[in-house]
Amino acid sequence: GAGVSQSPSNKVTEKGKDVELRCDPISGHTALYWYRQSLGQGLEFLIYFQGNSAPDKSGLPSDRFSAERTGGSVSTLTIQRTQQEDSAVYLCASSFVPGGGSGNTIYFGEGSWLTVV
Amino acid sequence: QKEVEQDPGPLSVPEGAIVSLNCTYSNSAFQYFMWYRQYSRKGPELLMYTYSSGNKEDGRFTAQVDKSSKYISLFIRDSQPSDSATYLCAMSAGSARQLTFGSGTQLTVLP
Repeated sequence: GAGVSQSPSNKVTEKGKDVELRCDPISGHTALYWYRQSLGQGLEFLIYFQGNSAPDKSGLPSDRFSAERTGGSVSTLTIQRTQQEDSAVYLCASSFVPGGGSGNTIYFGEGSWLTVV
Repeated sequence: QKEVEQDPGPLSVPEGAIVSLNCTYSNSAFQYFMWYRQYSRKGPELLMYTYSSGNKEDGRFTAQVDKSSKYISLFIRDSQPSDSATYLCAMSAGSARQLTFGSGTQLTVLP
């Protein structure tokens, strides 16, 4: 596709249920990122994938959060036993090479809006 | 204290005004500085990128970085209603793989 694609765009779930959020990065991009954006807050880094390297999971807030990236392309972010504080926009991004610090543009999807009731 | 501080606004200006958006930061390792624009219910899009200190201009937009003061700014000249969005500053230490974002400033340009 032309851009980073995320699904579902909106998800309402009951507290305690598991949810899966999907990200399809731009073709050819080796780096994939997940961020979380709560209402009125900036983006909070969650996890980063680069090629076949072990992911950087340093931003995951708890062991209820996990993510995988299959075949170096599509990624799934899973939240188990959802809590109300998990309500946020989950943004996926990708870039051709790692890191936003070298002038390499990081492209964001439109996000998955998660509401836990 | 957050690594990156940004006034959340909201900021409301008349069309044609000059807008100044700012961020301060505490991590002296940050070398790369970016401004993202985020429209309502959309993902952020890169607006400006600057390396180290100095100015960079692109059309109506100017980004300034003052590393000695740990302060960055984005100026928008001749602001337009289409500039109404949330503006997020972001920065990285270069070798890091993720960006650290400010909380965003919500801007409204009134016609």
